[in-house]
Amino acid sequence: AQSVTQPDIHITVSEGASLELRCNYSYGATPYLFWYVQSPGQGLQLLLKYFSGDTLVQGIKGFEAEFKRSQSSFNLRKPSVHWSDAAEYFCAVGPIMDTGRRALTFGSGTRLQVQP
Amino acid sequence: DGGITQSPKYLFRKEGQNVTLSCEQNLNHDAMYWYRQDPGQGLRLIYYSQIVNDFQKGDIAEGYSVSREKKESFPLTVTSAQKNPTAFYLCASSSRNNEQFFGPGTRLTVL
Repeated sequence: AQSVTQPDIHITVSEGASLELRCNYSYGATPYLFWYVQSPGQGLQLLLKYFSGDTLVQGIKGFEAEFKRSQSSFNLRKPSVHWSDAAEYFCAVGPIMDTGRRALTFGSGTRLQVQP
Repeated sequence: DGGITQSPKYLFRKEGQNVTLSCEQNLNHDAMYWYRQDPGQGLRLIYYSQIVNDFQKGDIAEGYSVSREKKESFPLTVTSAQKNPTAFYLCASSSRNNEQFFGPGTRLTVL
């Protein structure tokens, strides 16, 4: 079965500092990978996605992520964090093509706090 | 504007009641999904539908029911059989590339 692990439940960084959120996945084929962001009480917004090709993908709000097949990882990065980046971040993988299930599997999320 | 709408934003349920959460999309997406979100547990899939008049159970379907009579609509009913329904419910839709777009969510509270 596919799974997604976000090892950091909560991260605090200072405004202007760099950020890296970790995501590891278990998947039997070439995955589709996603990062979403959620502000409190809101829905999820797509930050970026990887389907194939260049393993470094650029997203919105200055975020990027790198797909590393050898490490089964898809870590999210930002060179300089802004206070408005405080939110919860979810990594997702999917779909399971061999079962026909096209839904994504989500990690448990990483809550980011930004200190002034 | 294209997007997904969910209503109501807040919903209160008494013990033993069934309640229905609305989800509508105008993105012309074939697939729609319902997730439940609890603190610290990420999103868990309740039901999904890949085409009109067809839907599949997700990982936590017990106590929930859905219908998909129209492409634009995928309502979720939380039945009295769901023992712990207090949660944040998110609806999503996707095109064939599986990029999911989410609605703003409905917070359900049992009184």
